[in-house]
Amino acid sequence: GNSVTQMEGPVTLSEEAFLTINCTYTATGYPSLFWYVQYPGEGLQLLLKATKADDKGSNKGFEATYRKETTSFHLEKGSVQVSDSAVYFCALSDLTGFQKLVFGTGTRLLVSP
Amino acid sequence: EAGVAQSPRYKIIEKRQSVAFWCNPISGHATLYWYQQILGQGPKLLIQFQNNGVVDDSQLPKDRFSAERLKGVDSTLKIQPAKLEDSAVYLCASTFGGREKLFFGSGTQLSVL
Repeated sequence: GNSVTQMEGPVTLSEEAFLTINCTYTATGYPSLFWYVQYPGEGLQLLLKATKADDKGSNKGFEATYRKETTSFHLEKGSVQVSDSAVYFCALSDLTGFQKLVFGTGTRLLVSP
Repeated sequence: EAGVAQSPRYKIIEKRQSVAFWCNPISGHATLYWYQQILGQGPKLLIQFQNNGVVDDSQLPKDRFSAERLKGVDSTLKIQPAKLEDSAVYLCASTFGGREKLFFGSGTQLSVL
């Protein structure tokens, strides 16, 4: 079945450092890929998405590129801020019928001043 | 616009007791999801509704969990009787349907003692 594997956290960085959170997936066909973010005390929010190979999703300075050859969708940001501290979830959605998300285990990011 | 509303925010019960969670999706959203998020894991889909019909309940433990979405608007998820391993955050999400993004509520945190 479909699955998503994320790097374990927490990831601890200083403000303005470069961020990479690795995500790889297993799926039949070509799913859509997503990054969701969960800030403390809040629900999950869509951060960015990509729907086909070589697409780059971007939002709030975060980027991720859909790499079919390596089945990856790594999240990157050039300069993190304290306000980026949250849990980040990689997810995929298959293309059959109604949208159904399969999530990774999440990676906690802690950014210190 | 108003987001996905869930209640209660927290619930503590003893094993073998019953509990119910409520979700009010964003107005006009036809598709509603219940996810279970165990500590340290990604959200896992329990059940998906399209209007008031069930689209997917393949991962719902039907011997103890039930859900309904009367009139195709708000929804309740019930656990009867609860087990220790049911301790988790229960997330409700909704979307217009198709490939539109999911909107998540803040969740109900259940502790079973």
